[in-house]
Amino acid sequence: QKEVEQNSGPLSVPEGAIASLNCTYSDRGSQSFFWYRQYSGKSPELIMSIYSNGDKEDGRFTAQLNKASQYVSLLIRDSQPSDSATYLCAGRNLYGNNRLAFGKGNQVVVIP
Amino acid sequence: DTEVTQTPKHLVMGMTNKKSLKCEQHMGHRAMYWYKQKAKKPPELMFVYSYEKLSINESVPSRFSPECPNSSLLNLHLHALQPEDSALYLCASSQAVEGRDGYTFGSGTRLTVV
Repeated sequence: QKEVEQNSGPLSVPEGAIASLNCTYSDRGSQSFFWYRQYSGKSPELIMSIYSNGDKEDGRFTAQLNKASQYVSLLIRDSQPSDSATYLCAGRNLYGNNRLAFGKGNQVVVIP
Repeated sequence: DTEVTQTPKHLVMGMTNKKSLKCEQHMGHRAMYWYKQKAKKPPELMFVYSYEKLSINESVPSRFSPECPNSSLLNLHLHALQPEDSALYLCASSQAVEGRDGYTFGSGTRLTVV
């Protein structure tokens, strides 16, 4: 089982709607979780970090972490066409090899 | 300065050429990484440097040779590459290999091997 799993199917959302992305992880020792945004042909950009159970909000983005259920999610409120990108979920296990493990990524398309 | 700078942005090389990719960061990060990314795939880790020493080589072919001249610079020397090595090569850094922070990625080098 991969360390970090993402449903890799593209997600289409109307402009102004909420985009919801989910990610599960297999390693209970994983401590830090990240969401990266990657535009086509560009490099990954870190948009959210989350370390504790609960929600963390930054502008239109909210990251949620549930360690008991081993999932991480990202909500994008008031989606804009500029949010159209691939979103990569990643985790680090401080007590393991501590390398950043990426999911496959989730493409989001915001339809004007 | 919160950036990782990579040069060149694009590189086309023949299979007999020798070239180098360069990466620089001035954030005081002590861990630096090389990744390879193919289209529609997540980045794949190639090498990890910790405090200027190579700590992880993910079974990368010897035609890729990393070098860390100092704590701010990371090079990737390329020799006798194959067309299947064409990809986006990403450099990243973090505070330390032992840390919990996310990695900061450079803008990448788009490599085409002909």
